[in-house]
Amino acid sequence: EPEVTQTPSHQVTQMGQEVILRCVPISNHLYFYWYRQILGQKVEFLVSFYNNEISEKSEIFDDQFSVERPDGSNFTLKIRSTKLEDSAMYFCASSPERGENIQYFGAGTRLSVL
Amino acid sequence: DAKTTQPNSMESNEEEPVHLPCNHSTISGTDYIHWYRQLPSQGPEYVIHGLTSNVNNRMASLAIAEDRKSSTLILHRATLRDAAVYYCIPRKLSGGYQKVTFGTGTKLQVIP
Repeated sequence: EPEVTQTPSHQVTQMGQEVILRCVPISNHLYFYWYRQILGQKVEFLVSFYNNEISEKSEIFDDQFSVERPDGSNFTLKIRSTKLEDSAMYFCASSPERGENIQYFGAGTRLSVL
Repeated sequence: DAKTTQPNSMESNEEEPVHLPCNHSTISGTDYIHWYRQLPSQGPEYVIHGLTSNVNNRMASLAIAEDRKSSTLILHRATLRDAAVYYCIPRKLSGGYQKVTFGTGTKLQVIP
C-alpha cells in the first residue's frame, strides 16, 4: 500500500541552526501539507502546497519556515533558524487532486532543538 | 468549522466492541464526518467517513444520527493495536485541498 515517508525520523539540532525535514508524498497525489505536534498538544496545521505554490498557511508558519518541492518526488520543510519552541513532531501529509478529501500522513520527524 | 465534542478518554476490554461518540450539532449540511486516529508515536491515520448513511469498512463502522448532530465510531472487536487517540472531524467532500483541523479527540485505552 502506498505511503508517505519522512526522513529523518529524529533530528537533533542546536538553536539557531537550519534544518530541512524531508517527505516523499504518495506518488500520484498533488496536494501536500505539513503539520506539527508539540508534545502533549494537538496536531496543528502549518501549510498546504499545490501546483508549486502555498495554498494556505497558518500563523505558525512565519518567515522562518519555507516549503519546497525540489523535484518530482520530494517535499521539504525548512526552518531557517530553529528556536527551542520549534521542538515538536512534524508530520507530512498528501492527498489526491480528486476523490474523497482524505489525507495520508507520514510517521513524522521528531525535531529536538537544544 | 463545525465544533465537535468528544469524551477525553475511554476504556475497553480487548476483543469487546467499542462505541466512540462525537457530537457535532453545528455541522453544515454538506460536511462529511471523518474519523482519524493517531496511534502512539505515529502520524494520524484515516479511519472512515460518511454523510448520512451508516458506513462500514475493514477498520470500523460509522453510525450517523438521523439529524446528523452526532455520530458514533464503532470498533467491533477492540485489539491492543486499536489503542489510540480518535478524532471526529467534519470535512467537505472534495474541492481540492482542505487542511485537517484536529481537536483533542478521545484517547482509547484497550485493556488486555
